[in-house]
Amino acid sequence: NAGVTQTPKFQVLKTGQSMTLQCAQDMNHNSMYWYRQDPGMGLRLIYYSASEGTTDKGEVPNGYNVSRLNKREFSLRLESAAPSQTSVYFCASSWDRATDTQYFGPGTRLTVL
Amino acid sequence: KNEVEQSPQNLTAQEGEFITINCSYSVGISALHWLQQHPGGGIVSLFMLSSGKKKHGRLIATINIQEKHSSLHITASHPRDSAVYICAVRSIQGAQKLVFGQGTRLTINP
Repeated sequence: NAGVTQTPKFQVLKTGQSMTLQCAQDMNHNSMYWYRQDPGMGLRLIYYSASEGTTDKGEVPNGYNVSRLNKREFSLRLESAAPSQTSVYFCASSWDRATDTQYFGPGTRLTVL
Repeated sequence: KNEVEQSPQNLTAQEGEFITINCSYSVGISALHWLQQHPGGGIVSLFMLSSGKKKHGRLIATINIQEKHSSLHITASHPRDSAVYICAVRSIQGAQKLVFGQGTRLTINP
């Protein structure tokens, strides 16, 4: 039981390049989330998926897109990376909103030059 | 002003000391979470509270809904407790959104 996995662990991009961060969970959770963590700031929600087939914007969605590919997988895409997107990205999952405890992946450290 | 404020931002203590980390929030909530972020970056949920007190091993979390305040206590602290402790609240208006504090960096020296 791997929990929540994320790939890649590290990535360096040039401004304007695109990439997709992958997330998968094997706990049969309904809800999945993408956060970013910046120095001096709390985790901020980018997008979430309450259930398979649905996605919604969080606090800081600009510059990102997501896909809930199936119940297990939730990907985050940067279409045209900017230096302001340099951050650590965490994926998380939970049974549902009512149950609420979120399980986090190990994070992806992204640097945009 | 942030919706969730933690204090202190940094805390250094000696092994064995009793540790208290505080969290104040300004919105109505349905639940409050305490999480631990290890030096390697991994984040683990410690507690979810909607009232009263919870205990797990040497960790105790309390919440006072009327005062909009929660505390995380660590008894008999150990160097392995060194981590960033994060408070997060689910606003009653917030749909799926958790609002996170900035975290408290705890260092326990042997």
